[in-house]
Amino acid sequence: AQSVTQLGSHVSVSEGALVLLRCNYSSSVPPYLFWYVQYPNQGLQLLLKYTTGATLVKGINGFEAEFKKSETSFHLTKPSAHMSDAAEYFCAVSEVEGGSYIPTFGRGTSLIVHP
Amino acid sequence: DAGVIQSPRHEVTEMGQEVTLRCKPISGHDYLFWYRQTMMRGLELLIYFNNNVPIDDSGMPEDRFSAKMPNASFSTLKIQPSEPRDSAVYFCASTQGGPVQPQHFGDGTRLSIL
Repeated sequence: AQSVTQLGSHVSVSEGALVLLRCNYSSSVPPYLFWYVQYPNQGLQLLLKYTTGATLVKGINGFEAEFKKSETSFHLTKPSAHMSDAAEYFCAVSEVEGGSYIPTFGRGTSLIVHP
Repeated sequence: DAGVIQSPRHEVTEMGQEVTLRCKPISGHDYLFWYRQTMMRGLELLIYFNNNVPIDDSGMPEDRFSAKMPNASFSTLKIQPSEPRDSAVYFCASTQGGPVQPQHFGDGTRLSIL
């Protein structure tokens, strides 16, 4: 069965600093991987996804993530944080071979951006 | 294009009352998901439908919870009778072409059971 671990329930950065949100998964086969963002009082929105091909994936708002099979990781990064990036971020994993295909979501990481 | 529409956005009611949450998926989407989000348990999948047919309801916590999808443009999640521990934010999401595709979420219904 697949599982998703997001290290750190809260990450605090200064405006302009690098953002790094960690996601590790356990899956018996290479999965599809997603990052979603949730702003206050809103639903989740897709930031980016990895299915196949290039392991460095670029998403909206300057975010990107790299799939590392050997490390079973899909960490989310952004070179320079903006105040508007403050939100909750969720990593999700779907097994596409022999699995249920239904995504499993991590517990989320709250990104706090200081002026 | 209109996104996933949920109503009501907020619901406050007393325990024992029936609660009905509503969802209109994006037109053309063939999968619909209901989630519950709490601080303690995070985001939990309750049930999902494919072409209006319930596929997996193993996440529905108790018989007090029921969900229907009478047509492609409408779904309901009902709690009867409601209890304080049902207080949460309930999300509906839809997608097209398979459950592995990215999901489009509504803005949720914040439910408070007193």
